[in-house]
Amino acid sequence: KNEVEQSPQNLTAQEGEFITINCSYSVGISALHWLQQHPGGGIVSLFMLSSGKKKHGRLIATINIQEKHSSLHITASHPRDSAVYICAVRSVGGGADGLTFGKGTHLIIQP
Amino acid sequence: DSGVTQTPKHLITATGQRVTLRCSPRSGDLSVYWYQQSLDQGLQFLIQYYNGEERAKGNILERFSAQQFPDLHSELNLSSLELGDSALYFCASSTPGRAGNTIYFGEGSWLTVV
Repeated sequence: KNEVEQSPQNLTAQEGEFITINCSYSVGISALHWLQQHPGGGIVSLFMLSSGKKKHGRLIATINIQEKHSSLHITASHPRDSAVYICAVRSVGGGADGLTFGKGTHLIIQP
Repeated sequence: DSGVTQTPKHLITATGQRVTLRCSPRSGDLSVYWYQQSLDQGLQFLIQYYNGEERAKGNILERFSAQQFPDLHSELNLSSLELGDSALYFCASSTPGRAGNTIYFGEGSWLTVV
């Protein structure tokens, strides 16, 4: 079982819809990252969370440490939001300081 | 622009060969991370360097090695290449400080082994 599980794997929605992508993890973490990867490959870090909620423009990320769960919300979605969204966690207490990644959510926003 | 520079952007090479991927981190970042993204495995952490020293190892094969130089740029060396090593290799850097700091990714190096 992957330490980081994302749902849904694929999501197609209409422009303007409210989008929610979920991430559950099974290990203790020091931080959780939401990343965006566009066709062509480049990865952009959207949020880094260790508690609570963060907002940037139309994007909102929340995390519940007790439930080991995070959500990424997109309000008023637009075709340019089409991308792969990846949840990644940084574990505590382990030897590796790198991130463990979910498999990503492929989001397509249709005009 | 993340400030992280990776070269080359694309590379095609034959099985059994050796290649070197290069990464220049964001100005001021001491940590450099290498990640591999393949179609079947997704993104995987390979190795981290901090200020020239190896800090952590992930799923890095023995055929692969890395180093970070005094000017903080890093190189990932891949040897005895196999078809399965074809992937997108990312370098990332982060701001020194507490765990969980923001991480910046380069554009990646596409490696195709034929």
